[in-house]
Parts: sequence; C-alpha cells; structure tokens
Amino acid sequence: DAKTTQPTSMDCAEGRAANLPCNHSTISGNEYVYWYRQIHSQGPQYIIHGLKNNETNEMASLIITEDRKSSTLILPHATLRDTAVYYCIVSSNDYKLSFGAGTTVTVRA
Amino acid sequence: ETGVTQTPRHLVMGMTNKKSLKCEQHLGHNAMYWYKQSAKKPLELMFVYNFKEQTENNSVPSRFSPECPNSSHLFLHLHTLQPEDSALYLCASSQEVAGKNIQYFGAGTRLSVL
Repeated sequence: DAKTTQPTSMDCAEGRAANLPCNHSTISGNEYVYWYRQIHSQGPQYIIHGLKNNETNEMASLIITEDRKSSTLILPHATLRDTAVYYCIVSSNDYKLSFGAGTTVTVRA
Repeated sequence: ETGVTQTPRHLVMGMTNKKSLKCEQHLGHNAMYWYKQSAKKPLELMFVYNFKEQTENNSVPSRFSPECPNSSHLFLHLHTLQPEDSALYLCASSQEVAGKNIQYFGAGTRLSVL
C-alpha cells in the first residue's frame, strides 16, 4: 500500500474548521484514502473514505486532489471532543490498514 | 458503540499466567483482526481472520495464540508473556464491499504484564 505523510501535530480553535492535510504521492489507481481518528486510549474510529471524488458525511468532508496525490480532511466546526490523533491511510482491498503516527489535533477553547 | 465488543477492558497478569482476550462483533462482518498498540507507537497488525481462516500472521511470537471459532468471535490466548507485551490490544472487524474495506474497532483491552 502507498505511504502517507501527515504533519505531526496541529492546533485549531473550537468552532472553526479544521483542515488536516495528507500526502500520498505514490497512490495507485485501486487504492482508497481512509481517515480514522483515535481519541486517547480508545479504539480508532472510522471517519470517511474516498477514491477520487470528494466525499461528505455527518462527521467530515474529504477533498481529494485531481491527481489523487494528496487529500484534506475537513472538520467543519471543531469541538473539544474532536481532540484526537487523526490517521490518513491508503489501502487497496487486502485487509491491511497501515497506521502511521498520524496528526495529533488539539482543539482549543 | 461500534458493534465490536472487547472483554476484559483491563487486565493485569503475571509472566507465568495464562489469560484470554475476547472480541465479539455484531455487524455480520466476515473478517476480524487483532492489533497491538504499545505506548507512543502506531498500531501494529498482529492477525487477520477471513471467514474463520487465518490469512495473516505478522511475525507474532507464539506466546500469542489466536482463535476464531466463528465469524463473530475472536480470541487471543496469552501465555508466558513478557513485560514488553504490555500494551493496548485492539480488535476490529470488516466486510469487503465493492473494493472497500472499512474496519470497525472495539474499545480495546489494556494489558499490563508484571
């Protein structure tokens, strides 16, 4: 599976949009982009996934560039409960998700 | 509530003990997974079961022994563990749909080996 690169950490203000970038320049045509988050000492939580079109659900939006080499997860109105480690993962359907270090997002009041 | 339940949530065991971790999924999925997360490290995939058959063993020491009696239950049997095996053990399940494979995780078992 392709490797991803994310910033180590970022802060955002409560109530503002949080934009989390991810680079996956070696992504191949059949690989999806998945986003998960892990709140301290809990299991990872699925957020959203996409192949090439932008996607939106009740938790977040996913913007994938046209060349698919990068993506951005958008939390439209960050709350204190969104403080977590966010993982961007690229995977084909081989039952493997490789979790890297992710981005530690701290939402501040 | 993710539909994946892990028990116990916390476990303390000595190096000579034998214990088991249990995972149950209520999602009708066909694949189940064990992951290990040591302090300040990324999740490491340990085992994958697909339709009750083990399809992945990520070079895990034999003191960890998985068992998948059916598609809804997964166990991790532990014996003669070492202190460095102390970690958060996470179970997940998934169902492949149209090339996508979204995994849903349990809350984990926090294991301490003394």
